[in-house]
Amino acid sequence: TQLLEQSPQFLSIQEGENLTVYCNSSSVFSSLQWYRQEPGEGPVLLVTVVTGGEVKKLKRLTFQFGDARKDSSLHITAAQPGDTGLYLCAGERGSQGNLIFGKGTKLSVKP
Amino acid sequence: NAGVTQTPKFQVLKTGQSMTLQCAQDMNHEYMSWYRQDPGMGLRLIHYSVGAGITDQGEVPNGYNVSRSTTEDFPLRLLSAAPSQTSVYFCASSYSKGIGTQETQYFGPGTRLLVL
Repeated sequence: TQLLEQSPQFLSIQEGENLTVYCNSSSVFSSLQWYRQEPGEGPVLLVTVVTGGEVKKLKRLTFQFGDARKDSSLHITAAQPGDTGLYLCAGERGSQGNLIFGKGTKLSVKP
Repeated sequence: NAGVTQTPKFQVLKTGQSMTLQCAQDMNHEYMSWYRQDPGMGLRLIHYSVGAGITDQGEVPNGYNVSRSTTEDFPLRLLSAAPSQTSVYFCASSYSKGIGTQETQYFGPGTRLLVL
């Protein structure tokens, strides 16, 4: 059973378009993280959201944590080819705060 | 700081062979963990450690052993490799871990393992 469902699995868009990636669960998480991974490299943390309803912005990226802390979204405005990569969401749970990862969204931004 | 380093980058094994994947960090992090990443599966936690001498199982521990004799190193051992263990393995570390600590987890570059 996949605790964190990410959608879409693949996304191919043109430079300048906007997009939203979703991360949904039936479980409550104490926090949720978004990572970006490039081919041949490890994931790199983009943001951590903790409070239900929280919104964080990182330049053209906007992250939102659902009010019930079960879901999150990542919105990219005016996507650029440099945004291409695998975007992973990860929920923190358990007494040790271990991470449960979604399967990822593979984004391709064409010039 | 070198961050999190992993060796080797690539490895090919035959079924039944054993090997150790090395992971080291120079950031004095207490928490270290091993994940495997398979196509369409995301990252799954294999084992983790909250400090030297303390290890625990994650989501998919079968077929793997770990130990943590020092703060810096957290090797992952495959005792008898199987084709199902073909994957990309990532080591990660953070200063501490505990629910709500929000510590940044740093990932190594990965080890690509093929078991024939």
